[in-house]
Amino acid sequence: GNSVTQMEGPVTLSEEAFLTINCTYTATGYPSLFWYVQYPGEGLQLLLKATKADDKGSNKGFEATYRKETTSFHLEKGSVQVSDSAVYFCALTNNAGNMLTFGGGTRLMVKP
Amino acid sequence: DAGITQSPRHKVTETGTPVTLRCHQTENHRYMYWYRQDPGHGLRLIHYSYGVKDTDKGEVSDGYSVSRSKTEDFLLTLESATSSQTSVYFCAISVDRNQPQHFGDGTRLSIL
Repeated sequence: GNSVTQMEGPVTLSEEAFLTINCTYTATGYPSLFWYVQYPGEGLQLLLKATKADDKGSNKGFEATYRKETTSFHLEKGSVQVSDSAVYFCALTNNAGNMLTFGGGTRLMVKP
Repeated sequence: DAGITQSPRHKVTETGTPVTLRCHQTENHRYMYWYRQDPGHGLRLIHYSYGVKDTDKGEVSDGYSVSRSKTEDFLLTLESATSSQTSVYFCAISVDRNQPQHFGDGTRLSIL
């Protein structure tokens, strides 16, 4: 079946540092890929998505590129802020598009 | 924010009692989902619905049942709660399959 593997956290960075959170996946067919963010006490919010190979999703300074050859969808941001502190989840759809499989989540802590 | 309301937001109950969680949406989306979130597991799909009275199982459906008698409401029932079902439960909606899911704020359920 499908699976998503994320780097374990917490990831602790200073403000304005460069962020990479690794995500690799195993899937049949051509899934869509997503990054969701969860702030404390809240539900998940869609951060960005990519629907086919070589697509780049971007939002709020975050980017991720759908790499089919390496089955990866790494999240990057050039300069993090304290307000980016949250838990980040990588996810993919099944072939029917009616189920999401999530990674275990990576907690990001940004210090002033 | 997507119009999703989960109730109750917090519940503490005893082993063996029945529990029903409600998800209400005002977006008229076709798909609704129930997930549970546990440390280290990300979110795992319990059940989902693709229309009124149309439901299907997810990854971790044992011990749970669902019902959808109206487009706007999706109920999750634990017939006889067990301590292993202590978790945070999230409802999500999407306009159709292969579309991004939008999440409610969650229900924290503790079973003693």
